[in-house]
Amino acid sequence: SQELEQSPQSLIVQEGKNLTINCTSSKTLYGLYWYKQKYGEGLIFLMMLQKGGEEKSHEKITAKLDEKKQQSSLHITASQPSHAGIYLCGADIGSGNTGKLIFGQGTTLQVKP
Amino acid sequence: GAVVSQHPSRVICKSGTSVKIECRSLDFQATTMFWYRQFPKQSLMLMATSNEGSKATYEQGVEKDKFLINHASLTLSTLTVTSAHPEDSSFYICSARDWMNTEAFFGQGTRLTVV
Repeated sequence: SQELEQSPQSLIVQEGKNLTINCTSSKTLYGLYWYKQKYGEGLIFLMMLQKGGEEKSHEKITAKLDEKKQQSSLHITASQPSHAGIYLCGADIGSGNTGKLIFGQGTTLQVKP
Repeated sequence: GAVVSQHPSRVICKSGTSVKIECRSLDFQATTMFWYRQFPKQSLMLMATSNEGSKATYEQGVEKDKFLINHASLTLSTLTVTSAHPEDSSFYICSARDWMNTEAFFGQGTRLTVV
């Protein structure tokens, strides 16, 4: 079965610093999702990547899917306290866009003012 | 973006009773919805796939008689936790795919506490 490994598991950064979260899959990724979650709340959709080499940006967050489609990274530039939360990568199970996802274990981000 | 609404957001019930959680797609039709469970400080685990007009498909290890799923319309799926026990206490969250796009949108989740 497919597994997703996120690193680091937790991260504490000073406000204004850049950071990167990685998501590595044991199998080829056909659809890779990034979500943000505050503990005990729902998931906020950030971005979805499908094509090898694809890169998407939204405000200060950039996500990339590597050419081999087995790893994705999420990069936050000039972090702010509002970026704090749990970041989850999710992958579509199987080889199609089913919407049925497995998730990494999450990365907890704290941003110190 | 598309909106998925879950209700209730929090529920406390007594052991042995049943609890129903609703998941609605507010501005799109979803023939398929998904139910996940999240234990404290853990990631989301897929429980089942809810199919409109047919039986749900359950992941390995999930008791279908305990977690009843009904997908009565293209905008509503319900998860009923039957004869709930304290170990069923968890965060339950649904998602739906808007087939016009590619994103999977999640509800805000339901915190179930069984006492």
